[in-house]
Amino acid sequence: QKEVEQDPGPLSVPEGAIVSLNCTYSNSAFQYFMWYRQYSRKGPELLMYTYSSGNKEDGRFTAQVDKSSKYISLFIRDSQPSDSATYLCAMSARGNNRLAFGKGNQVVVIP
Amino acid sequence: NAGVTQTPKFQVLKTGQSMTLQCAQDMNHNSMYWYRQDPGMGLRLIYYSASEGTTDKGEVPNGYNVSRLNKREFSLRLESAAPSQTSVYFCASRPSGGAETQYFGPGTRLLVL
Repeated sequence: QKEVEQDPGPLSVPEGAIVSLNCTYSNSAFQYFMWYRQYSRKGPELLMYTYSSGNKEDGRFTAQVDKSSKYISLFIRDSQPSDSATYLCAMSARGNNRLAFGKGNQVVVIP
Repeated sequence: NAGVTQTPKFQVLKTGQSMTLQCAQDMNHNSMYWYRQDPGMGLRLIYYSASEGTTDKGEVPNGYNVSRLNKREFSLRLESAAPSQTSVYFCASRPSGGAETQYFGPGTRLLVL
């Protein structure tokens, strides 16, 4: 079993819909959870960062962490064509220099 | 603020040729990383450097060498390129202390014929 599982998609939604992405993980030591957005032919850029459990909201983006279920989610409200990208989840344990990544989920928002 | 920069952006090599991918960051970060990204495989860590003067193997180090030249620069060398090393290579850096986030460069696309 991989440390981090992420359904690669692709996921196509109409403009204005809510996009829901998720990752599951197996390492209970993970405490830091991130979502990266990667546009085609670009490097990943940090989108959301959450420490431990709970929710974090930033504009149209909401990140949720449920450590008891080892499950993290990213929601995009009122999706726009500019949200079309690959979204990667990543996580790490305290003091660990390395991130464990999901394989990424391609999202296409159709105008 | 340039962040993480990588050169070259694109390179074509013949099998057996060597080359060095360059990475530099201007954020005063201690840790730096090299990843490769392949379709269906996600990001895989090749090597990383927790601080100036130290390097460690990641998940897929075979066929690569690295040099942490100073705090700013971390280079990746392919001594004898193979078609299996055709990939997109990303450099990343991480601030010391606190959050475990990493910041990525724009990538180098490498094609080995």
